[in-house]
Amino acid sequence: SQQGEEDPQALSIQEGENATMNCSYKTSINNLQWYRQNSGRGLVHLILIRSNEREKHSGRLRVTLDTSKKSSSLLITASRAADTASYFCAIYAQGGKLIFGQGTELSVKP
Amino acid sequence: EAQVTQNPRYLITVTGKKLTVTCSQNMNHEYMSWYRQDPGLGLRQIYYSMNVEVTDKGDVPEGYKVSRKEKRNFPLILESPSPNQTSLYFCASSSGQVIYEQYFGPGTRLTVT
Repeated sequence: SQQGEEDPQALSIQEGENATMNCSYKTSINNLQWYRQNSGRGLVHLILIRSNEREKHSGRLRVTLDTSKKSSSLLITASRAADTASYFCAIYAQGGKLIFGQGTELSVKP
Repeated sequence: EAQVTQNPRYLITVTGKKLTVTCSQNMNHEYMSWYRQDPGLGLRQIYYSMNVEVTDKGDVPEGYKVSRKEKRNFPLILESPSPNQTSLYFCASSSGQVIYEQYFGPGTRLTVT
C-alpha cells in the first residue's frame, strides 16, 4: 500500500520551542489532513490543506504543502506540555480512500 | 453532542469466534470508515462507505466484513477472528463526498487469543 511517510518518528523538545514534523506521499492529492492522537484515544482533526494551497495557519499551527516534492510540514509554535501526543498526516486523493502516515510522537517537556 | 460511538471498547476473544464491533454516528454523515492501528504502522483503512448500501475495500480488508443498512451505523464483522487481528480499531465519519475532516470514535481494543 502507498502509505504516507512521516519523520521524525519521535521528537522531544522543551516547552516554548517549536516542533516541526514532515509528511511525504506518493500520489496526487485532493487535500492533506493532520490529526492528533492522545495516548491510544481517538484521533482529532487539526488542520487541512488543499492541493492548490501552499500554506495555512490555525492558532499555533502552521501547515505547508509542496506538491512538486509531494511533501507537507506541520509546525507547532511555542509548544506546551499539553501538546504531547502523536501526530498523523492523512493523504486524500479521491473517493473514500485515505492513507495515513506512521505518525510522529511528540514529547514536550515542562 | 456530535459524536461517533463504538462498542465494545475492549474485547478479548478466542480464535474463530465471530464478533461484531458496532459504530454509530449522530451527525447524519454520508461517509464512514474503519481503521486498524498497530504499533509502527500508523492507521490502515479496512473498509469505507460513501453512503447507505455503498461499501468498498480499503488497504487491509482481508478477514473483515462490513454493512451499511442505515446511515448512522457501520458495523465491522470478524467472521473468524485470528490472532493477527489483535489491534486497536477506530471508526470515523465525515460529511459529503469529498473527505475534508473525519470524526473518530474512541477506539475498540481487540485481543484475539
